[in-house]
Amino acid sequence: EIVLTQSPATLSLSPGEGATLSCRASQNVGSFLAWYQQKPGQAPRLLIYDASFRATGIPARFSGSGSATDFTLTISSLEPEDFAVYYCQQRSNWPYTFGQGTKVEIK
Amino acid sequence: QVQLVQSGTELKKPGASVKVSCQASGYTFNIYTISWVRQAPGQGLEYMGWISPYDGNTVYAQNLQGRVTMTADTSTRTAYMDLRSLRSDDTAVYFCARGVYSEPSPLVYWGQGTVVTVSS
Repeated sequence: EIVLTQSPATLSLSPGEGATLSCRASQNVGSFLAWYQQKPGQAPRLLIYDASFRATGIPARFSGSGSATDFTLTISSLEPEDFAVYYCQQRSNWPYTFGQGTKVEIK
Repeated sequence: QVQLVQSGTELKKPGASVKVSCQASGYTFNIYTISWVRQAPGQGLEYMGWISPYDGNTVYAQNLQGRVTMTADTSTRTAYMDLRSLRSDDTAVYFCARGVYSEPSPLVYWGQGTVVTVSS
């Protein structure tokens, strides 16, 4: 099973600041990595798929990069609605797995 | 627009079974697999498996093999997830979801979630 390790666990930032979230895979997943945002009581929302493609309707302040084992989600300037938990997920090998999440909280 | 609407909250006793439904609309049901993902209280996301409504092909997470069955009824555009021999650690929100592509993942459309509580 491919283990995805996200860092940091928590990111404390202010609106307007930039955020950099990391996801490291225990094996090469190619570009088959996605990022999701989840707010309390809601289903996850797909932000980025195949490492760098923004899903429909996702603002340009969200971007993804990386390949193989190291991936990054960047939020260029945090809006109030961006404070949430973010998960990465790989679909390279079954079982598909999620990282443990990074919480982006208001400082 | 694409919608996935799930069945309501369930309270079950240990050892019982639960069947969660997921009714799809707004797209050609047969073409896209339906995945199931669960989230225990305060925890992360766990990918349970998926089903292809086209041919009924299923893939399950190994830790659920023997206890989970996923089915799809193309006449009603509804997918089902049946989990047996429930334990307290099956308490979670269960989500169905559809992919961007016909492949299982990445997951772009999600149901609203079904809360399943297992307690004596």
